[in-house]
Amino acid sequence: RKEVEQDPGPFNVPEGATVAFNCTYSNSASQSFFWYRQDCRKEPKLLMSVYSSGNEDGRFTAQLNRASQYISLLIRDSKLSDSATYLCVVNIRYGNKLVFGAGTILRVKS
Amino acid sequence: NAGVMQNPRHLVRRRGQEARLRCSPMKGHSHVYWYRQLPEEGLKFMVYLQKENIIDESGMPKERFSAEFPKEGPSILRIQQVVRGDSAAYFCASSSGDRAYGYTFGSGTRLTVV
Repeated sequence: RKEVEQDPGPFNVPEGATVAFNCTYSNSASQSFFWYRQDCRKEPKLLMSVYSSGNEDGRFTAQLNRASQYISLLIRDSKLSDSATYLCVVNIRYGNKLVFGAGTILRVKS
Repeated sequence: NAGVMQNPRHLVRRRGQEARLRCSPMKGHSHVYWYRQLPEEGLKFMVYLQKENIIDESGMPKERFSAEFPKEGPSILRIQQVVRGDSAAYFCASSSGDRAYGYTFGSGTRLTVV
């Protein structure tokens, strides 16, 4: 089983749609969770951290379910500029090493 | 407000040559991580270093690859005797060591082996 698993997509959605991505992780001892965004041929950039209580940043909402070892990202009112690959990221062991999922491709179309 | 600086941005090497990739972490960061990304694939962890120490090299190929982060100067990822399969984007990231804050990535070095 992969340490971090994501549906690769692509998710093709119209502008204004709401879209949700899911991610599962294998190590129940994981402590830190993030969503990163990667545009084509660019470096990954931190989108948001994921907290146990869930957190929101504008149109983006992240949720964590420790019991099911599951993380989600919800994007409301999708914009063309949201088109990118979204990476689920987890620290797998105690320490600082982060493991990246393979990413979910989002394409927002007009 | 310099972020993580990687150079060169693009590197072309002939098979059998050596490639040296450099990474200067963000100011205040002493933890450096190297990742490799093959075309159409995800990021694969290679090595985690702290000043003068290799903390985790579980993702490094056993041969031809080495990394260092000296007391002074940037971190270096060195690939000896490159082969076509080494062609990839190599990203460096840095952190303060606090698990809560994630990593900041550099723009990457795109290595092409011809």
